[in-house]
Amino acid sequence: AQSVTQLGSHVSVSEGALVLLRCNYSSSVPPYLFWYVQYPNQGLQLLLKYTTGATLVKGINGFEAEFKKSETSFHLTKPSAHMSDAAEYFCAVRKTGANNLFFGTGTRLTVIP
Amino acid sequence: GAGVSQSPSNKVTEKGKDVELRCDPISGHTALYWYRQSLGQGLEFLIYFQGNSAPDKSGLPSDRFSAERTGGSVSTLTIQRTQQEDSAVYLCASRQMGGAGASTDTQYFGPGTRLTVL
Repeated sequence: AQSVTQLGSHVSVSEGALVLLRCNYSSSVPPYLFWYVQYPNQGLQLLLKYTTGATLVKGINGFEAEFKKSETSFHLTKPSAHMSDAAEYFCAVRKTGANNLFFGTGTRLTVIP
Repeated sequence: GAGVSQSPSNKVTEKGKDVELRCDPISGHTALYWYRQSLGQGLEFLIYFQGNSAPDKSGLPSDRFSAERTGGSVSTLTIQRTQQEDSAVYLCASRQMGGAGASTDTQYFGPGTRLTVL
């Protein structure tokens, strides 16, 4: 069965510090991988995605993620947190040939000034 | 261009009433999805439409839930005899299918409809 695990439902970082949000998936076949961000009272916005090719993927707002097949991971990072990064972040997978996304439970990022 | 729009943005209803939620996908997107976001369950897939194919209803939680998509564009999610556990944010997403390029893998989400069942 497809599943996505996001370790840590809440993460707090200081402004300017490294952001690391963890995502692991379980799948016998590497799926397509996504990170979405949800700002308060808004819909989901795509940050970045991995489908094929280069395993280090760069997204919007300075975020990037690296697909590591050996670790079945797709962790999201940003070198320096900004106050505007405070939001909820969702990792999602879509298995090749499948229709829908399977989401993790989300990680709420707080940025401390 | 315009993104995915949903209406109403908020809906409060009484237990036992029927509700209809509307989704307008991005023009030209042939795939349309409904998801539900609730405190206890996170983000769950409900139903998927693609062109004229039979919809994938595998995520619908009960037979009180149904959805249709008219003319391959606008979709309506209907919940009959609402229950308090139906309270959630209902999200719609659309996706461009076919053609080359990674852009077809992306689902674009609407702002959601927050449903509260009293």
